[in-house]
Formats: sequence, C-alpha cells, structure tokens
Amino acid sequence: NAGVTQTPKFRILKIGQSMTLQCTQDMNHNYMYWYRQDPGMGLKLIYYSVGAGITDKGEVPNGYNVSRSTTEDFPLRLELAAPSQTSVYFCASTKPHRDALAGYTFGSGTRLTVV
Amino acid sequence: AQRVTQPEKLLSVFKGAPVELKCNYSYSGSPELFWYVQYSRQRLQLLLRHISRESIKGFTADLNKGETSFHLKKPFAQEEDSAMYYCALSLYNTDKLIFGTGTRLQVFP
Repeated sequence: NAGVTQTPKFRILKIGQSMTLQCTQDMNHNYMYWYRQDPGMGLKLIYYSVGAGITDKGEVPNGYNVSRSTTEDFPLRLELAAPSQTSVYFCASTKPHRDALAGYTFGSGTRLTVV
Repeated sequence: AQRVTQPEKLLSVFKGAPVELKCNYSYSGSPELFWYVQYSRQRLQLLLRHISRESIKGFTADLNKGETSFHLKKPFAQEEDSAMYYCALSLYNTDKLIFGTGTRLQVFP
C-alpha cells in the first residue's frame, strides 16, 4: 500500500524556470491538499481539491497552479520559480468529512530550492 | 479568524521528565483538533485526534474549550519522542487543516 507518493524528492530550479511537483494516492481519497513548510512558519495551505475536476485556493496560492483530472493525481505547477518558493512541499489526502477525522495521510515531501 | 498557536519553538527535557507541548486555538465554530508528529527524515503522521480521546505512544491531549487549548502531554519522555510536533485545527465541513508553527521536542539521555 503506497499511500501518498510525491516526486521528485529534491529539486533545484533557477529563477524563472517552471516545474511540476507530482502527487498521487492509491487510497481512493476524495480530498487532496498541497502545503508548503517553511522553518518557523508551520505548514501553509497552497491549494486543495475535494474531488476530480474541483480545486480551490488555500492560504498562499500565488505563484502556483493545480489540476485534478483524476481522483488519484493532484500535481502542483510552478510557472515562474522565485526564491520565495524555496520550501518543502507536502501533499496530503483524506476521506470526506466525518471520515476525515481519521486524519490526513502525507507524502514524504519535495524539497525545492530556487536559486 | 482561525488560528493555532504553539508558543514554544523548542522544548528540551531529559529522559523520564514530564512533557507538555502547548497548543491554543482560535475558532468560532466547533473545533476538531489533531496533533501531528514529524520524526527526523520522515513524513508527517497523525499522532492524536481529540475526538477519539486516545493515548498514543504514551501521549494524551485533552480539549479544553474554556481555555481554547489542546495541550499534548506525556508523563515520562523517551529519547525516541524527539521530533517536531504540530497542532492542527480542522475547519468544520471543509476538512482544511490549520497548522500551528510547530514545537521541536528534544529529549536528552
């Protein structure tokens, strides 16, 4: 049972480059999330999705885009990388509300550095 | 506005000492609170949820609505408890989690 899988684990980007962080889950979870984790700042929600074809902005969406064409996949796109996007990115998934009290399942993270 | 506050960035104790990691929240609705833990080089994982009133790895947490707190406690810390701990608030009917800034627990031998 793979759970939530993120790729790549590490990446160095130059300013202005673009990339896609991949996230896939095999638990048939409807809800998926992207967070960024910065030192001393906790985790901030970037985007989330409550099902295929539905996405919505979180707390810090600027500079990112997402899509949700299937239940399993929720890629995060950085179009023009900036140093402020240097962070560790976590993807997470969960079941809908009452079941969500089981908690989120997190991926192992992608450490991104923009230079 | 919804907010989760963890006032301590770092908490250092010796093995066998009691531990209390503080968490306060601000939310006008019915709170659903969690503790997540991140061990070194591992992914975040759920430790506790208030609704189940469980004890995991010797940790407990009680929701105090009067004080809007959800402190994490363990009577005797172990070295393997060293990790980053995040308190999180789930917003009713949206399932979005609001995280605190985290507390690093260091347990010395």
